[in-house]
Amino acid sequence: AQSVSQHNHHVILSEAASLELGCNYSYGGTVNLFWYVQYPGQHLQLLLKYFSGDPLVKGIKGFEAEFIKSKFSFNLRKPSVQWSDTAEYFCAVNAQGSARQLTFGSGTQLTVLP
Amino acid sequence: EAGVAQSPRYKIIEKRQSVAFWCNPISGHATLYWYQQILGQGPKLLIQFQNNGVVDDSQLPKDRFSAERLKGVDSTLKIQPAKLEDSAVYLCASSQENGQPQHFGDGTRLSIL
Repeated sequence: AQSVSQHNHHVILSEAASLELGCNYSYGGTVNLFWYVQYPGQHLQLLLKYFSGDPLVKGIKGFEAEFIKSKFSFNLRKPSVQWSDTAEYFCAVNAQGSARQLTFGSGTQLTVLP
Repeated sequence: EAGVAQSPRYKIIEKRQSVAFWCNPISGHATLYWYQQILGQGPKLLIQFQNNGVVDDSQLPKDRFSAERLKGVDSTLKIQPAKLEDSAVYLCASSQENGQPQHFGDGTRLSIL
């Protein structure tokens, strides 16, 4: 069975700081990878996804993530965070194939101080 | 496009009572998912439908939880009887096809007293 680990439960940054949120997964086969974001009072929404091709993927609002297959990692980055990036961020993975159950990490709460 | 609709937004019941949640997915989305999100954890898949058939219900506690999607559109999730550990947010999501990015509803926050 697949699993996802997010290393930081809560990250606090000042505006303009750089962000990197860690995500590691365990699964022996080919995977699709996602980052979802949940802003306060809103529903989960897709930030970016990786299915195949260029391992560096760009999402909305200046976010990007890099898939490093050898490290089973899909870390989320943003060079300069804004107060409006305050939210909870979830990494998720599903296996390519018939099952495709989406497994989420436990989430990282990001607080950006103005 | 209209998003995934869920109701109610909040529900408070006593243990051993029953409760039902409703979900209307995005029009045309064949795959529908129900997740349970306990405080401090990520969403956990309970059941996945492809049209009106069940694809995966391996993590659904079938002694108390049931779900249906009779006409392949909207869906209901029921808990009977509820236990204290069922306190959570119940999320519904849909996607065009299995494996594609999922669109989530606002969820139903269930509190068991």
